[in-house]
Amino acid sequence: DGGITQSPKYLFRKEGQNVTLSCEQNLNHDAMYWYRQDPGQGLRLIYYSHIVNDFQKGDIAEGYSVSREKKESFPLTVTSAQKNPTAFYLCASSPGTGTGTQYFGPGTRLLVL
Amino acid sequence: EDKVVQSPLSLVVHEGDTVTLNCSYEVTNFRSLLWYKQEKKAPTFLFMLTSSGIEKKSGRLSSILDKKELFSILNITATQTGDSAVYLCAVPWSGQKLVFGQGTRLTINP
Repeated sequence: DGGITQSPKYLFRKEGQNVTLSCEQNLNHDAMYWYRQDPGQGLRLIYYSHIVNDFQKGDIAEGYSVSREKKESFPLTVTSAQKNPTAFYLCASSPGTGTGTQYFGPGTRLLVL
Repeated sequence: EDKVVQSPLSLVVHEGDTVTLNCSYEVTNFRSLLWYKQEKKAPTFLFMLTSSGIEKKSGRLSSILDKKELFSILNITATQTGDSAVYLCAVPWSGQKLVFGQGTRLTINP
């Protein structure tokens, strides 16, 4: 089955702890994205990557880090510097054809203990 | 600053009603406008619109774009409880990045 997977579905973070959210795709897409969604709001871009070994900050990158060592994988680390991490995190990918259409994973809900 | 604004933010109707959701945008170098439906988790793709005046249709859902007035509408006819969701509008800018509106939360009561 082709698609985007995210894990875990739910994640709990303690104060001062770094946590990593996984995102994997087998669609052979070049571009991958991380979004944050807060209740009652749309999606805000955290980081994106258009090609392996390259990534760019989005609109709300502070307190987050990413890596893109493989085409299929784009993990997001929520660091202790992110003071309000409770949110729904969505990963997406796109083939990079210029239309802008992105395909989303099922999401990870992060909660702070 | 590029932006996308959706209205209304929330809408509650009865099953069988017809609804119209709005999305206005201000982006440079417009290429397309996308509609997504988000239920409990991942947004799922509905439509991509690139040309003014050409209606895209899928079952009871349809959408149209007005590039002169910079807006799009999403229509749902004969609504069903399964149509309850958040509907997101997005516009690509600066390559492949998407700018999203706040979303419209649609609730269909039986």
